[in-house]
Amino acid sequence: DSGVTQTPKHLITATGQRVTLRCSPRSGDLSVYWYQQSLDQGLQFLIQYYNGEERAKGNILERFSAQQFPDLHSELNLSSLELGDSALYFCASSVAFPGTGELFFGEGSRLTVL
Amino acid sequence: GQQLNQSPQSMFIQEGEDVSMNCTSSSIFNTWLWYKQDPGEGPVLLIALYKAGELTSNGRLTAQFGITRKDSFLNISASIPSDVGIYFCAGHPYYNFNKFYFGSGTKLNVKP
Repeated sequence: DSGVTQTPKHLITATGQRVTLRCSPRSGDLSVYWYQQSLDQGLQFLIQYYNGEERAKGNILERFSAQQFPDLHSELNLSSLELGDSALYFCASSVAFPGTGELFFGEGSRLTVL
Repeated sequence: GQQLNQSPQSMFIQEGEDVSMNCTSSSIFNTWLWYKQDPGEGPVLLIALYKAGELTSNGRLTAQFGITRKDSFLNISASIPSDVGIYFCAGHPYYNFNKFYFGSGTKLNVKP
């Protein structure tokens, strides 16, 4: 158990819809990262927050947004969903920013868009 | 974005064999890390390297930070069935320590 909690574990929705994925980092970790992993693909970096502020942005679509709240949990919002958005979405946390690279990953949220 | 090229993409080996995989970049990296992802799980850190030339072991796993700082390799000795999974390299490029990139992964299959 990494200590990072992601909900929901599975989500099935239709094209055009909007979903919110939630992440609670490990206790004491201030940094939260979001990654997208499509079938048999690598981990695509989406966005990173540190103590409530956005610190780094990857290839995140404009239809996607995220935020980190004062209690340090984070949410990833995906809107106007397309079939190609079907993927595993991972949240990871670390103590500091930029940190040493030691990330603790949640079990992921599997999104299926039909 | 930054490309970390991992090879091979996949491997099928017999239990007991040694395994070697590597990761290369066109840019110099300040850190190299290796993660393993078990089926249905999130990646877990195996080994972290912070200095060029550094060689670090973790049980049957050994990883090295290349002297050029543009590559790293991971060796697994005497593979066992639970070594099955996807192995990712990752690191911070020298030009932006705020960024952290993952490679495309090496999928390892071990036949008992």
